[in-house]
Amino acid sequence: GIQVEQSPPDLILQEGANSTLRCNFSDSVNNLQWFHQNPWGQLINLFYIPSGTKQNGRLSATTVATERYSLLYISSSQTTDSGVYFCAVAEWIFNKFYFGSGTKLNVKP
Amino acid sequence: NAGVTQTPKFQVLKTGQSMTLQCAQDMNHNSMYWYRQDPGMGLRLIYYSASEGTTDKGEVPNGYNVSRLNKREFSLRLESAAPSQTSVYFCASRSGINSNQPQHFGDGTRLSIL
Repeated sequence: GIQVEQSPPDLILQEGANSTLRCNFSDSVNNLQWFHQNPWGQLINLFYIPSGTKQNGRLSATTVATERYSLLYISSSQTTDSGVYFCAVAEWIFNKFYFGSGTKLNVKP
Repeated sequence: NAGVTQTPKFQVLKTGQSMTLQCAQDMNHNSMYWYRQDPGMGLRLIYYSASEGTTDKGEVPNGYNVSRLNKREFSLRLESAAPSQTSVYFCASRSGINSNQPQHFGDGTRLSIL
């Protein structure tokens, strides 16, 4: 299967700071999603981004498929951004999804 | 708009007991998925169903069976529960296996096996 590596594993920010989360994957993919898992365990879709750049408010994401990585940018972080951020990818043929181990973000007031 | 609904939300079983986790979606999606999430880890795919009438193994299928009952419902069965199956189970659905659409997740079932 596809190996998915996320970095950093843990991140502590002061409210208002910016951050970049990275997702590296080992093979060609046709689907890449970023999720936020909130402290209640719910998985929230952030971006579906197999290639290119998207923005949604304070969040943006860029995927460079040819170089097998994706970046999630969080600007002006808020305490409600705390939780775990996951990257998930799916391969071309079988469409099985593989998740990274996540980046645990703690935004302090 | 309910999205993906999982039942039950919590369950405690004894080793050797059987149980079926239920999942239903109301988005007319073709593809459905079952994942497990162990503490401090990402989700791992157990089984998926690309369309009604088909099911395929994922990364960690041993000890589980699935049934795609109809387009809306996809159940996961533990025939003889083991402590190693203590986990949080998530169901997801997606428009289609070749669609440019994201997965949508239920809120999870927290399962403890003693």
